Amino acid sequence: DSGVTQTPKHLITATGQRVTLRCSPRSGDLSVYWYQQSLDQGLQFLIQYYNGEERAKGNILERFSAQQFPDLHSELNLSSLELGDSALYFCASSLTSGGGREQFFGPGTRLTVL
Amino acid sequence: AQSVTQPDIHITVSEGASLELRCNYSYGATPYLFWYVQSPGQGLQLLLKYFSGDTLVQGIKGFEAEFKRSQSSFNLRKPSVHWSDAAEYFCAVGARGNKLVFGAGTILRVKS
Repeated sequence: DSGVTQTPKHLITATGQRVTLRCSPRSGDLSVYWYQQSLDQGLQFLIQYYNGEERAKGNILERFSAQQFPDLHSELNLSSLELGDSALYFCASSLTSGGGREQFFGPGTRLTVL
Repeated sequence: AQSVTQPDIHITVSEGASLELRCNYSYGATPYLFWYVQSPGQGLQLLLKYFSGDTLVQGIKGFEAEFKRSQSSFNLRKPSVHWSDAAEYFCAVGARGNKLVFGAGTILRVKS
């Protein structure tokens, strides 16, 4: 158990819908990262927050957004969902931002768009 | 841009045999390197990491990895594989801002 929690575990929805994925980092960790794992793209970095502020952005679609709240939990919002958004979404956390910090991953949320 | 190559998509080894999973990276500066393991339906678990210093690093579950700057490699090894090691293994480089860039993964099958 990494100490990172993600809810829900599974999500099944239809095209065009909007969903919210939730992540609680390990106790004491200030930085949260979101990754997408799909068969065709592999593991891709989406976005990073550090202590409530966006710190880095990867290949995140404009239909996706995220935020980190004062209690440090984070939410990833996916809207206007398409079939291709079906994937495993991971949240990870680390103590601080900056190079080399090991990241601890949650169990993931499996999103299925029908 | 940073990149990681894991040349082997699948590897099958016999239980008790030795294992080496290959990883090559591309990064302009001194890299931070990681190996993660993912069991079916599970998240990623950190096996080991290299930041600096000794180029041979020890990890959990009896794994080790060697950083070779001249070859841009960070290969993962285990002297004797157990059936429970069957999983997918990911090599990653810690890029600017601490995001991780992952390789495509290597699926390890262990035959008894």
